[in-house]
Amino acid sequence: GAGVSQSPSNKVTEKGKDVELRCDPISGHTALYWYRQSLGQGLEFLIYFQGNSAPDKSGLPSDRFSAERTGGSVSTLTIQRTQQEDSAVYLCASSSRTAEQYFGPGTRLTVT
Amino acid sequence: GENVEQHPSTLSVQEGDSAVIKCTYSDSASNYFPWYKQELGKRPQLIIDIRSNVGEKKDQRIAVTLNKTAKHFSLHITETQPEDSAVYFCAASRTYKYIFGTGTRLKVLA
Repeated sequence: GAGVSQSPSNKVTEKGKDVELRCDPISGHTALYWYRQSLGQGLEFLIYFQGNSAPDKSGLPSDRFSAERTGGSVSTLTIQRTQQEDSAVYLCASSSRTAEQYFGPGTRLTVT
Repeated sequence: GENVEQHPSTLSVQEGDSAVIKCTYSDSASNYFPWYKQELGKRPQLIIDIRSNVGEKKDQRIAVTLNKTAKHFSLHITETQPEDSAVYFCAASRTYKYIFGTGTRLKVLA
């Protein structure tokens, strides 16, 4: 079956613009995660969705970051008024409850 | 807050030698410890994991050991091959949230 997909694969935007990043999890996976990976760095947790429960937003770095998950499937990460320090690879992962996290290919965001 | 320390940050070994990467976690309630491999420009992929009720787990050339008392766990790769070159991440979890280490860049020299 299809794995986790993300779009776009690359996004270049000007400072101050808003961007939307999309994640399509594996069908049937109830858990969805967003991570940020800066160049040469580790995986920084951003947000977690599980079924219909309230999301864990504790990793979002500022109120410019938000995420939604519609219908328990597709998720969108939105960054408003982008800054240069937002440049990174944004990774999405999904899992069934308590199981392995499967990662998407990521979206490379460059803010100029 | 919870954190996971990972060492070394870079590691170079000769092909055929062994490689060991170590992680220490702070949350004593952590009960699941996955290891991910990320090749250049690709997504992280799970290579092995261990739960807190087990002290060691092996899968061919890779093994993971866990010392709950000391709160550390290690990845061992034997008979390294050039295709083992990648960045390796450890993580610790007690619920849904993984706390990742900062990664180890492994280079296997032919």
